[in-house]
Amino acid sequence: EDQVTQSPEALRLQEGESSSLNCSYTVSGLRGLFWYRQDPGKGPEFLFTLYSAGEEKEKERLKATLTKKESFLHITAPKPEDSATYLCAVQTLTDSWGKLQFGAGTQVVVTP
Amino acid sequence: DGGITQSPKYLFRKEGQNVTLSCEQNLNHDAMYWYRQDPGQGLRLIYYSQIVNDFQKGDIAEGYSVSREKKESFPLTVTSAQKNPTAFYLCASSSSGTSPYEQYFGPGTRLTVT
Repeated sequence: EDQVTQSPEALRLQEGESSSLNCSYTVSGLRGLFWYRQDPGKGPEFLFTLYSAGEEKEKERLKATLTKKESFLHITAPKPEDSATYLCAVQTLTDSWGKLQFGAGTQVVVTP
Repeated sequence: DGGITQSPKYLFRKEGQNVTLSCEQNLNHDAMYWYRQDPGQGLRLIYYSQIVNDFQKGDIAEGYSVSREKKESFPLTVTSAQKNPTAFYLCASSSSGTSPYEQYFGPGTRLTVT
């Protein structure tokens, strides 16, 4: 059975304290892996799509990487405005119509 | 500006009543989706539609119904048969095809049933 697991469930950081979030997946074949940011009471905001192992993408203080079994979202020198829940989702080769399987998310709090 | 709108933002209903949540997009996307989000859980797919007048059940379709009469609109009805309807409901849309297209989400509707 396909599974997507995110860790840790929650992360509390001091401003400027870099850290990484993990998304591990067990799927029959990966078509793409997606990262989203979600603020409380709002819809998820798309961040990155990763397609193959070794790929990396960056946006401001965020960098996403992908291996054959997991993806990391690195937050470099975070600021309080980076506080949010970060969601990981995968699309498998058997889901040609666009189905995404989501992890439960990592809630990040950055304190000044 | 292109995007997805959902209305209302908050909805309160009594048990036994059906309720319809609105979702509209002007991104010219073929595919649309409805998800449910509960605290501590990932998003779970309720229904999806790849094209007008066609839709498919997702993982938790029981107690829900949808229609897709226009490309821009994909309303969700939460029926009285849904045993635990209180949740945050999210609508999304994407391009369709074999590439892994990202989904774009609306702001959500929080439904409370008492």
